[in-house]
Amino acid sequence: DGGITQSPKYLFRKEGQNVTLSCEQNLNHDAMYWYRQDPGQGLRLIYYSQIVNDFQKGDIAEGYSVSREKKESFPLTVTSAQKNPTAFYLCASSIVFGNEQFFGPGTRLTVL
Amino acid sequence: AQRVTQPEKLLSVFKGAPVELKCNYSYSGSPELFWYVQYSRQRLQLLLRHISRESIKGFTADLNKGETSFHLKKPFAQEEDSAMYYCALSGPSGSARQLTFGSGTQLTVLP
Repeated sequence: DGGITQSPKYLFRKEGQNVTLSCEQNLNHDAMYWYRQDPGQGLRLIYYSQIVNDFQKGDIAEGYSVSREKKESFPLTVTSAQKNPTAFYLCASSIVFGNEQFFGPGTRLTVL
Repeated sequence: AQRVTQPEKLLSVFKGAPVELKCNYSYSGSPELFWYVQYSRQRLQLLLRHISRESIKGFTADLNKGETSFHLKKPFAQEEDSAMYYCALSGPSGSARQLTFGSGTQLTVLP
């Protein structure tokens, strides 16, 4: 079940710590995305990247940071500035920005 | 601002009954509309998009610009249709095309 992978599946963090979620794709897609999924709220866009070395803020970027140094990788860092970090995080990619998005299996982050 | 509303969080129907999952949107222009589905223990995946005007797994969805709706329909529901369904919207080609998702509807098809 390759294509787009996320690790780890479950992640626990103490308050005040930064944590980085991994997202890798071998689909040769230019665009990658990070979403946050909360019960009853659907998916909300955190950051997206249309091409390597470029990224833009989504609707809820505060308290998060990303990098896109390689086409295959789009890691998300949840910083201590994020007030409510406990959530399910989904990464996605598309061949170009705006095309059909393919999703990873997700990472569930819990702040203790 | 673009917005997608799915008024039903939970929807239950019996096997063989018709099913309609509602989706209304707000967008000042000509959007592209999508339905994504997430089956139990599987990834979120695209089900269908309005520009394709196709039927996938017996589901269809018609874009009604007058009512700003994109309801998902199936005449005879099956148990394997039980899943979480998300309606999503993006701007047309050439504009900002990030997806905006609705809050989702959990469909349960009862035997």
